[in-house]
Amino acid sequence: AQSVTQLDSHVSVSEGTPVLLRCNYSSSYSPSLFWYVQHPNKGLQLLLKYTSAATLVKGINGFEAEFKKSETSFHLTKPSAHMSDAAEYFCVGNRDDKIIFGKGTRLHILP
Amino acid sequence: EAQVTQNPRYLITVTGKKLTVTCSQNMNHEYMSWYRQDPGLGLRQIYYSMNVEVTDKGDVPEGYKVSRKEKRNFPLILESPSPNQTSLYFCASSYGQGPYEQYFGPGTRLTVT
Repeated sequence: AQSVTQLDSHVSVSEGTPVLLRCNYSSSYSPSLFWYVQHPNKGLQLLLKYTSAATLVKGINGFEAEFKKSETSFHLTKPSAHMSDAAEYFCVGNRDDKIIFGKGTRLHILP
Repeated sequence: EAQVTQNPRYLITVTGKKLTVTCSQNMNHEYMSWYRQDPGLGLRQIYYSMNVEVTDKGDVPEGYKVSRKEKRNFPLILESPSPNQTSLYFCASSYGQGPYEQYFGPGTRLTVT
């Protein structure tokens, strides 16, 4: 069965330092993978998606993610955090008839 | 502007009083779905629809109904709401399942007392 696991429920980083939000997936075949961001009191917005074209995917606002099949991971990174990055982030897997959300990682940015 | 709209945005109701949350999209998407978001649980899919008159259960369908009579609309119906259905609800649409971005509505915060 396919599953998506976000390894941290909360991550805190200082402004200007790198961000790493971890996501592992479990699937017998490569799924489509997405990262969405949810700012407070807002809906979800797509950051980036992986659909097997390229393993390193660049998204909006300086975020990127690398699909590593050997590690079944799709971690989200950003070189330098900004205060506006404070939000909840969801890793999502999508294959055939199932859409699976991770439980989310809340990113806190320290001044 | 491409968007998914939901109404109402906020709703407080009492146990057992039927309610409908509307969802509409203007992107001609075939796939639409409903999610509920609860703290610590992420988003869980309630129902989805692959096209007009085609709906199927998601992970948490109990206590909910949906219909898809028109491509653009996908209302969520709670026939007899209970307090455990207090949650934040999102409607989403996309071209299909698979490698397609989902477009989310702004959310409906429902409180059942």
